[in-house]
Amino acid sequence: KNQVEQSPQSLIILEGKNCTLQCNYTVSPFSNLRWYKQDTGRGPVSLTIMTFSENTKSNGRYTATLDADTKQSSLHITASQLSDSASYICVVIYQAGTALIFGKGTTLSVSS
Amino acid sequence: GAVVSQHPSRVICKSGTSVKIECRSLDFQATTMFWYRQFPKQSLMLMATSNEGSKATYEQGVEKDKFLINHASLTLSTLTVTSAHPEDSSFYICSAQDSLNYGYTFGSGTRLTVV
Repeated sequence: KNQVEQSPQSLIILEGKNCTLQCNYTVSPFSNLRWYKQDTGRGPVSLTIMTFSENTKSNGRYTATLDADTKQSSLHITASQLSDSASYICVVIYQAGTALIFGKGTTLSVSS
Repeated sequence: GAVVSQHPSRVICKSGTSVKIECRSLDFQATTMFWYRQFPKQSLMLMATSNEGSKATYEQGVEKDKFLINHASLTLSTLTVTSAHPEDSSFYICSAQDSLNYGYTFGSGTRLTVV
């Protein structure tokens, strides 16, 4: 069964600290994996897009990793800011890009 | 980058009335658009997939006569919630797939409140 599981479900960190969010998937045939940030009451915004052959991709303070062998991805946030408080969603695209599965997201709260 | 515009961002309507939500791809052609519903603290739930010029494909459990989807052009899809009831109150989000590189871009969402 095609699934995307994220952990932790929620996370609270202090401003300035780093954190890592996890995404495990059992989706086939894999096309690419995306991390989105969704602020409350807004639509998801793309952070990174990774294909099968990419191991690491950065977007500012966000760094995503992908291990296609173990079907695991992570999103590392460096030097967190209050504005990083949001839900982070892992999405796996499959079937040659025509279908996608959402993880349930990790809710990150950054406090001062 | 690809931009998807969704309107309105918020709408309040009375029970029994219909509400139309628009989703436009501003700088690319979207062969496929998706409509999602999201309840508080929940993940996005796919409601239907629409391809330009053809009937939408609805997910199991989604009433096609209640949630009317029209994808008349490569840049516009609309979702009409007909005879709305309070239980239809939710956050509705569209996304558009770029026909060139299969990118998925989301709209900013519509908060529907039925009173």
